[in-house]
Amino acid sequence: KAGVTQTPRYLIKTRGQQVTLSCSPISGHRSVSWYQQTPGQGLQFLFEYFSETQRNKGNFPGRFSGRQFSNSRSEMNVSTLELGDSALYLCASSLVRTGPTEAFFGQGTRLTVV
Amino acid sequence: KNEVEQSPQNLTAQEGEFITINCSYSVGISALHWLQQHPGGGIVSLFMLSSGKKKHGRLIATINIQEKHSSLHITASHPRDSAVYICAVRSGGGTGNQFYFGTGTSLTVIP
Repeated sequence: KAGVTQTPRYLIKTRGQQVTLSCSPISGHRSVSWYQQTPGQGLQFLFEYFSETQRNKGNFPGRFSGRQFSNSRSEMNVSTLELGDSALYLCASSLVRTGPTEAFFGQGTRLTVV
Repeated sequence: KNEVEQSPQNLTAQEGEFITINCSYSVGISALHWLQQHPGGGIVSLFMLSSGKKKHGRLIATINIQEKHSSLHITASHPRDSAVYICAVRSGGGTGNQFYFGTGTSLTVIP
């Protein structure tokens, strides 16, 4: 079965612009979570969606937002891009929210802000 | 303070050596994952553990829930094992699908 698909894989944006990233989870998975990976901070939790509702949010400014659609696909949006937003953005999907359930990661979207 | 501590940060080994990477965590968890990331690549989940031990080929992962500690072992290491290995714990309770990550162990296996 298809894995977690993130699009686009690479993106270059200018400071001040906004960007939308997409994550399609494994079929049947309803939980999607997003992470930012930077060389300085490592992997950090952004937010989690389940059944179209944001269930949990990490410590990121309001410029970072997301949503989940009825087919469980999720998008995250970053407005007013800053140079420090350059990072690898990863999403993970799992069948359920809690408990010892497998999580599957996408290949990530590498965002460069210039 | 990091919820997940990994050691060592960097590791260089000769091909064939036995390798151990350690992970300690301080939060309540529902599961612990060992992840592998190749340079420029995405992340692959190698193991998910909630208790005991798992083995997959040359990789072995163990977890001690009482001591809040996990280890990843690679037997007969090979240059293709060169990657960053990340310990990630999925929080327990009502916080759902949030992962806390270690800073990763960069492994280089020399032929």
